[in-house]
Amino acid sequence: GQNIDQPTEMTATEGAIVQINCTYQTSGFNGLFWYQQHAGEAPTFLSYNVLDGLEEKGRFSSFLSRSKGYSYLLLKELQMKDSASYLCAVLDSNYQLIWGAGTKLIIKP
Amino acid sequence: GAVVSQHPSRVICKSGTSVKIECRSLDFQATTMFWYRQFPKKSLMLMATSNEGSKATYEQGVEKDKFLINHASLTLSTLTVTSAHPEDSSFYICSAPAGGDTYEQYFGPGTRLTVT
Repeated sequence: GQNIDQPTEMTATEGAIVQINCTYQTSGFNGLFWYQQHAGEAPTFLSYNVLDGLEEKGRFSSFLSRSKGYSYLLLKELQMKDSASYLCAVLDSNYQLIWGAGTKLIIKP
Repeated sequence: GAVVSQHPSRVICKSGTSVKIECRSLDFQATTMFWYRQFPKKSLMLMATSNEGSKATYEQGVEKDKFLINHASLTLSTLTVTSAHPEDSSFYICSAPAGGDTYEQYFGPGTRLTVT
Protein backbone atom coordinates (compact mmCIF):
# COMPACT_ATOMS: atom_id res chain seq x y z
CA GLY A 1 0.00 0.00 0.00
CA GLN A 2 0.90 3.64 -0.06
CA ASN A 3 2.21 5.25 3.06
CA ILE A 4 3.42 8.64 4.19
CA ASP A 5 5.02 8.92 7.64
CA GLN A 6 5.75 12.06 9.56
CA PRO A 7 5.97 12.77 13.29
CA THR A 8 2.67 13.57 14.98
CA GLU A 9 3.90 16.53 16.98
CA MET A 10 7.03 18.57 17.51
CA THR A 11 7.90 21.41 19.85
CA ALA A 12 10.46 24.13 19.21
CA THR A 13 11.50 27.49 20.62
CA GLU A 14 10.90 30.85 19.01
CA GLY A 15 13.95 31.91 17.02
CA ALA A 16 15.29 28.39 16.72
CA ILE A 17 15.44 25.94 13.80
CA VAL A 18 13.29 22.85 13.38
CA GLN A 19 13.37 20.01 10.87
CA ILE A 20 10.22 18.04 10.08
CA ASN A 21 10.86 14.71 8.40
CA CYS A 22 8.68 12.80 5.98
CA THR A 23 9.23 9.32 4.61
CA TYR A 24 7.11 7.82 1.89
CA GLN A 25 6.34 4.59 0.12
CA THR A 26 4.15 5.16 -2.89
CA SER A 27 3.33 3.62 -6.24
CA GLY A 28 5.42 5.92 -8.35
CA PHE A 29 6.60 9.42 -7.63
CA ASN A 30 5.90 12.68 -9.40
CA GLY A 31 6.88 15.11 -6.72
CA LEU A 32 6.47 15.91 -3.05
CA PHE A 33 4.61 18.84 -1.53
CA TRP A 34 4.74 20.53 1.82
CA TYR A 35 1.68 22.46 2.95
CA GLN A 36 1.06 24.50 6.08
CA GLN A 37 -2.31 24.27 7.79
CA HIS A 38 -3.41 26.42 10.68
CA ALA A 39 -6.14 25.00 12.88
CA GLY A 40 -9.54 25.21 11.23
CA GLU A 41 -8.13 26.57 7.99
CA ALA A 42 -7.29 25.14 4.60
CA PRO A 43 -3.73 24.10 3.72
CA THR A 44 -1.47 26.63 2.03
CA PHE A 45 1.32 25.69 -0.33
CA LEU A 46 4.89 25.87 0.93
CA SER A 47 7.05 23.89 -1.47
CA TYR A 48 7.27 21.32 -4.24
CA ASN A 49 10.27 19.06 -4.83
CA VAL A 50 10.59 16.68 -7.74
CA LEU A 51 14.38 16.49 -8.03
CA ASP A 52 16.84 15.52 -5.32
CA GLY A 53 18.33 18.30 -3.31
CA LEU A 54 17.50 21.35 -1.26
CA GLU A 55 15.08 24.07 -2.28
CA GLU A 56 15.33 27.24 -0.24
CA LYS A 57 12.56 29.80 0.01
CA GLY A 58 13.10 32.43 2.65
CA ARG A 59 12.96 30.95 6.14
CA PHE A 60 11.68 27.65 4.79
CA SER A 61 13.70 25.01 2.94
CA SER A 62 12.66 21.61 1.66
CA PHE A 63 14.92 18.67 0.89
CA LEU A 64 14.26 15.54 -1.14
CA SER A 65 16.05 12.22 -1.58
CA ARG A 66 14.11 10.03 -3.98
CA SER A 67 16.38 7.03 -3.49
CA LYS A 68 15.66 7.09 0.24
CA GLY A 69 12.00 8.03 -0.06
CA TYR A 70 12.70 10.90 2.29
CA SER A 71 12.06 14.59 2.58
CA TYR A 72 12.35 17.21 5.26
CA LEU A 73 11.04 20.70 5.78
CA LEU A 74 13.44 23.04 7.57
CA LEU A 75 12.08 26.11 9.29
CA LYS A 76 14.56 28.75 10.45
CA GLU A 77 14.17 31.73 12.77
CA LEU A 78 10.94 30.32 14.09
CA GLN A 79 8.12 32.72 14.81
CA MET A 80 5.02 32.15 16.90
CA LYS A 81 2.90 32.32 13.76
CA ASP A 82 4.69 29.21 12.49
CA SER A 83 2.67 27.18 14.99
CA ALA A 84 0.61 25.03 12.65
CA SER A 85 0.38 21.57 11.16
CA TYR A 86 2.73 20.76 8.32
CA LEU A 87 1.47 18.28 5.76
CA CYS A 88 3.66 16.18 3.50
CA ALA A 89 2.01 14.91 0.32
CA VAL A 90 3.34 12.82 -2.55
CA LEU A 91 2.07 12.86 -6.11
CA ASP A 92 1.94 9.21 -7.15
CA SER A 93 2.18 7.59 -10.56
CA ASN A 94 -1.48 8.47 -11.26
CA TYR A 95 -0.80 12.08 -10.32
CA GLN A 96 -2.95 11.64 -7.25
CA LEU A 97 -1.89 13.30 -4.02
CA ILE A 98 -1.24 10.96 -1.13
CA TRP A 99 -1.31 12.87 2.15
CA GLY A 100 0.53 12.34 5.40
CA ALA A 101 -1.36 12.90 8.64
CA GLY A 102 0.56 16.08 9.31
CA THR A 103 2.98 17.22 11.98
CA LYS A 104 1.67 19.63 14.58
CA LEU A 105 4.40 22.14 15.35
CA ILE A 106 4.19 23.95 18.66
CA ILE A 107 6.35 27.04 19.07
CA LYS A 108 7.17 28.16 22.60
CA PRO A 109 8.45 31.61 23.56
CA GLY B 1 -2.17 33.63 -6.11
CA ALA B 2 -5.46 32.20 -7.22
CA VAL B 3 -8.32 32.09 -4.76
CA VAL B 4 -10.78 29.33 -4.07
CA SER B 5 -13.77 30.13 -1.91
CA GLN B 6 -16.14 27.86 -0.04
CA HIS B 7 -19.56 28.55 1.34
CA PRO B 8 -20.68 28.18 4.03
CA SER B 9 -17.66 28.22 6.32
CA ARG B 10 -19.65 26.60 9.11
CA VAL B 11 -22.97 24.83 9.12
CA ILE B 12 -24.97 22.99 11.73
CA CYS B 13 -27.79 20.77 10.59
CA LYS B 14 -30.10 18.16 12.04
CA SER B 15 -29.83 14.46 11.28
CA GLY B 16 -31.70 13.50 8.17
CA THR B 17 -31.40 16.83 6.43
CA SER B 18 -29.22 17.67 3.44
CA VAL B 19 -26.49 20.26 3.27
CA LYS B 20 -24.95 21.85 0.19
CA ILE B 21 -21.39 23.16 0.16
CA GLU B 22 -20.19 25.37 -2.68
CA CYS B 23 -16.66 25.63 -3.98
CA ARG B 24 -15.77 28.44 -6.35
CA SER B 25 -12.60 29.35 -8.20
CA LEU B 26 -12.64 33.14 -8.11
CA ASP B 27 -10.11 34.25 -10.69
CA PHE B 28 -9.44 31.18 -12.77
CA GLN B 29 -11.29 28.35 -14.42
CA ALA B 30 -11.16 24.85 -13.01
CA THR B 31 -12.32 21.92 -15.09
CA THR B 32 -11.38 19.71 -12.17
CA MET B 33 -11.90 20.23 -8.46
CA PHE B 34 -11.19 17.93 -5.56
CA TRP B 35 -13.25 17.32 -2.45
CA TYR B 36 -11.57 16.24 0.76
CA ARG B 37 -12.71 15.58 4.29
CA GLN B 38 -10.52 15.83 7.31
CA PHE B 39 -11.09 14.44 10.78
CA PRO B 40 -9.35 16.05 13.75
CA LYS B 41 -5.62 15.36 13.78
CA LYS B 42 -5.98 13.20 10.68
CA SER B 43 -4.81 13.47 7.13
CA LEU B 44 -6.78 14.92 4.28
CA MET B 45 -8.85 12.17 2.70
CA LEU B 46 -9.76 12.56 -0.95
CA MET B 47 -13.46 11.88 -1.41
CA ALA B 48 -13.96 12.57 -5.07
CA THR B 49 -12.76 14.39 -8.12
CA SER B 50 -15.30 16.75 -9.61
CA ASN B 51 -15.21 17.10 -13.39
CA GLU B 52 -16.92 19.91 -15.27
CA GLY B 53 -19.38 18.50 -17.76
CA SER B 54 -19.14 14.90 -16.62
CA LYS B 55 -19.72 12.70 -13.61
CA ALA B 56 -17.54 12.94 -10.56
CA THR B 57 -15.03 10.22 -9.82
CA TYR B 58 -15.44 8.86 -6.32
CA GLU B 59 -12.76 7.23 -4.22
CA GLN B 60 -13.26 3.72 -2.94
CA GLY B 61 -15.53 3.63 0.06
CA VAL B 62 -17.22 6.97 -0.60
CA GLU B 63 -20.95 6.67 -1.21
CA LYS B 64 -21.82 8.57 -4.35
CA ASP B 65 -25.53 8.65 -3.47
CA LYS B 66 -24.78 10.21 -0.13
CA PHE B 67 -22.20 12.73 -1.28
CA LEU B 68 -23.62 14.25 -4.43
CA ILE B 69 -21.20 16.28 -6.49
CA ASN B 70 -22.15 18.61 -9.30
CA HIS B 71 -19.64 20.60 -11.31
CA ALA B 72 -22.05 23.09 -12.84
CA SER B 73 -19.57 25.42 -14.47
CA LEU B 74 -15.87 26.06 -14.89
CA THR B 75 -15.84 27.99 -11.61
CA LEU B 76 -18.32 26.14 -9.40
CA SER B 77 -18.51 22.69 -7.86
CA THR B 78 -21.00 21.71 -5.18
CA LEU B 79 -21.00 18.90 -2.64
CA THR B 80 -24.33 17.91 -1.15
CA VAL B 81 -24.32 15.72 1.92
CA THR B 82 -27.68 13.97 1.80
CA SER B 83 -29.53 12.57 4.80
CA ALA B 84 -26.75 13.73 7.07
CA HIS B 85 -25.82 11.79 10.19
CA PRO B 86 -23.63 12.78 13.12
CA GLU B 87 -20.77 10.69 11.72
CA ASP B 88 -20.75 12.98 8.69
CA SER B 89 -19.60 15.80 10.93
CA SER B 90 -16.20 16.78 9.62
CA PHE B 91 -14.13 19.47 7.95
CA TYR B 92 -14.75 19.46 4.20
CA ILE B 93 -12.21 21.13 1.94
CA CYS B 94 -12.21 21.65 -1.79
CA SER B 95 -9.27 22.39 -4.02
CA ALA B 96 -8.52 23.15 -7.63
CA PRO B 97 -5.34 22.49 -9.59
CA ALA B 98 -3.21 25.53 -10.23
CA GLY B 99 -2.70 24.34 -13.78
CA GLY B 100 0.13 25.06 -16.13
CA ASP B 101 3.33 23.15 -15.43
CA THR B 102 2.67 22.87 -11.71
CA TYR B 103 0.77 20.25 -9.75
CA GLU B 104 0.08 22.65 -6.90
CA GLN B 105 -3.48 22.80 -5.66
CA TYR B 106 -5.27 25.86 -4.39
CA PHE B 107 -7.42 25.06 -1.40
CA GLY B 108 -10.64 26.62 -0.26
CA PRO B 109 -10.94 27.73 3.37
CA GLY B 110 -12.96 24.67 4.30
CA THR B 111 -16.44 24.05 5.68
CA ARG B 112 -17.01 22.80 9.20
CA LEU B 113 -20.11 20.59 9.19
CA THR B 114 -21.74 19.60 12.44
CA VAL B 115 -24.69 17.23 12.34
CA THR B 116 -26.76 17.10 15.51
